[in-house]
Amino acid sequence: RKEVEQDPGPFNVPEGATVAFNCTYSNSASQSFFWYRQDCRKEPKLLMSVYSSGNEDGRFTAQLNRASQYISLLIRDSKLSDSATYLCVVNEAGNNRKLIWGLGTSLAVNP
Amino acid sequence: GAVVSQHPSWVICKSGTSVKIECRSLDFQATTMFWYRQFPKQSLMLMATSNEGSKATYEQGVEKDKFLINHASLTLSTLTVTSAHPEDSSFYICSAREHTGAPAFFGQGTRLTVV
Repeated sequence: RKEVEQDPGPFNVPEGATVAFNCTYSNSASQSFFWYRQDCRKEPKLLMSVYSSGNEDGRFTAQLNRASQYISLLIRDSKLSDSATYLCVVNEAGNNRKLIWGLGTSLAVNP
Repeated sequence: GAVVSQHPSWVICKSGTSVKIECRSLDFQATTMFWYRQFPKQSLMLMATSNEGSKATYEQGVEKDKFLINHASLTLSTLTVTSAHPEDSSFYICSAREHTGAPAFFGQGTRLTVV
């Protein structure tokens, strides 16, 4: 089992749609979690950290389910500019210094 | 978010020469910096983890003598690609983190082309 797994997609959705991504992680002792977005030929940019109680930032909601070892990202009212690859990142447990990256989920929002 | 500056943003060099890439955290002190490589349409590949004042930890398959990493201060890490060859052409990206548990912030990346 991979340490961090994501559905690669692509997800093709119309503008205004709600879309959700899930990401599973294998190490139950992992402590911190993040979502990044990466545009084509650009560096990844932090979208949001994921907190135990769940957190929201505008149209984006992140949730953590420790029991099932997954995190999720919900995007409401999708915009064309949301088209990107969304990367799930988990802070390695124990060593606690390495970030483990998912391979990313590709999202295309269509007019 | 925190700012990480990477320089140069692109470089073209001749085969056999060395290229140095700098990564600076501008508004925070980075105890850890990460160096990645990314080929077109592929995911980020971690090359090495660099902690200030200590030797970098390289991932399996990454040659430490070819990719020299120095993290001399809490705000600067450098990656030197020695004796570059065309197969080293790639997008190199650094990221920096203030402390364990914190998110990492990325530099703009360096697109290296070896001719």
